[in-house]
Amino acid sequence: DQQVKQNSPSLSVQEGRISILNCDYTNSMFDYFLWYKKYPAEGPTFLISISSIKDKNEDGRFTVFLNKSAKHLSLHIVPSQPGDSAVYFCAARGTGANNLFFGTGTRLTVIP
Amino acid sequence: GAGVSQSPSNKVTEKGKDVELRCDPISGHTALYWYRQRLGQGLEFLIYFQGNSAPDKSGLPSDRFSAERTGESVSTLTIQRTQQEDSAVYLCASSSLRLAGEQFFGPGTRLTVL
Repeated sequence: DQQVKQNSPSLSVQEGRISILNCDYTNSMFDYFLWYKKYPAEGPTFLISISSIKDKNEDGRFTVFLNKSAKHLSLHIVPSQPGDSAVYFCAARGTGANNLFFGTGTRLTVIP
Repeated sequence: GAGVSQSPSNKVTEKGKDVELRCDPISGHTALYWYRQRLGQGLEFLIYFQGNSAPDKSGLPSDRFSAERTGESVSTLTIQRTQQEDSAVYLCASSSLRLAGEQFFGPGTRLTVL
């Protein structure tokens, strides 16, 4: 039972444009959400996070939006750069939990 | 480097054999996690160590899977009597946080069971 879902396995965007990666979750007890980026043959690297008490968190070109009523979050990358090409994983944590639940990932390709 | 390291990077084994995967976390990180990623799937939590506390084994899929950690250092994940469905990338992560949050991942061990 996949509690965190990334329904788009891939996304292609032109360099300089906005990339929007989406994530849905089913567990209303999730209170903390993270995005990780993964390059081939490497482990995922932490990108940005958001607590459930916020609806937006921004870090440079990366912004995460959280819509709790819709159980939906999204990652915006603007402007997109070729180096952003990677697999992006959405993850979520339940209150006081030891572990994270990950989505299946979205492969982003930024076309020069 | 000061990152999380895992060995071996690749392991091919025959069905029924035992395998042992190793993880060296970032020095000083009290929390250590094991995940696996099967083809086309997300990362699946296996086990969590936090300092000297009893590990959270709730994610281990069967009793063929076990893991140990010596203090706050190296961890080994052992899979006994491997099955083809155990084929996956096994990822280790460490963190200085008590609750699950920002974690630093190793490059993974790709396990192939023939």
